[in-house]
Amino acid sequence: DQQVKQNSPSLSVQEGRISILNCDYTNSMFDYFLWYKKYPAEGPTFLISISSIKDKNEDGRFTVFLNKSAKHLSLHIVPSQPGDSAVYFCAAPAYTGGFKTIFGAGTRLFVKA
Amino acid sequence: DSGVTQTPKHLITATGQRVTLRCSPRSGDLSVYWYQQSLDQGLQFLIQYYNGEERAKGNILERFSAQQFPDLHSELNLSSLELGDSALYFCASSAGPKVAEAFFGQGTRLTVV
Repeated sequence: DQQVKQNSPSLSVQEGRISILNCDYTNSMFDYFLWYKKYPAEGPTFLISISSIKDKNEDGRFTVFLNKSAKHLSLHIVPSQPGDSAVYFCAAPAYTGGFKTIFGAGTRLFVKA
Repeated sequence: DSGVTQTPKHLITATGQRVTLRCSPRSGDLSVYWYQQSLDQGLQFLIQYYNGEERAKGNILERFSAQQFPDLHSELNLSSLELGDSALYFCASSAGPKVAEAFFGQGTRLTVV
């Protein structure tokens, strides 16, 4: 049951250009979304989040956009830097009596110098 | 450094064996989460503990069990290991029971041979 989907396994971008990572979800009950970044041999690191009452949240070079009608969110990185090369996970917390966070499969971003 | 410590970093064991993975959460965090990441897949939620009590369960196999101790560290026990259990196992912690932004450890890479 893939409630959070990242359909692009990888993305390659030139340094200085915009990186756009996409995520789709199926559960309309999700009210909060997160992006995590993961380098090899490290655990995921929280990057940015957005509440479902907003359509945009910005933090420096990172902006997340939410389109609730399309059940789609995207992470924009501008300008992209080689250090941004990592795997990016989209995630959403689910409340089912308890609390768990559902992750997408991840998109591997390559930023070429 | 996220402040979450997982031991061991690597573990190689034979099928049918039992192993214990250990996690020390960030200082002050009461919630501990366990995730499994198989090759090129997203993070699959296994289980959440909050202040010693189980709060949420994901697709955790019956051969797997976990607990959180009074000092808040947690252990994930995997028994009757199969080749398919080979994966990265991540522990994460957060301050409260419904805090989505969690801090992840570096993971334990389990290889079952």
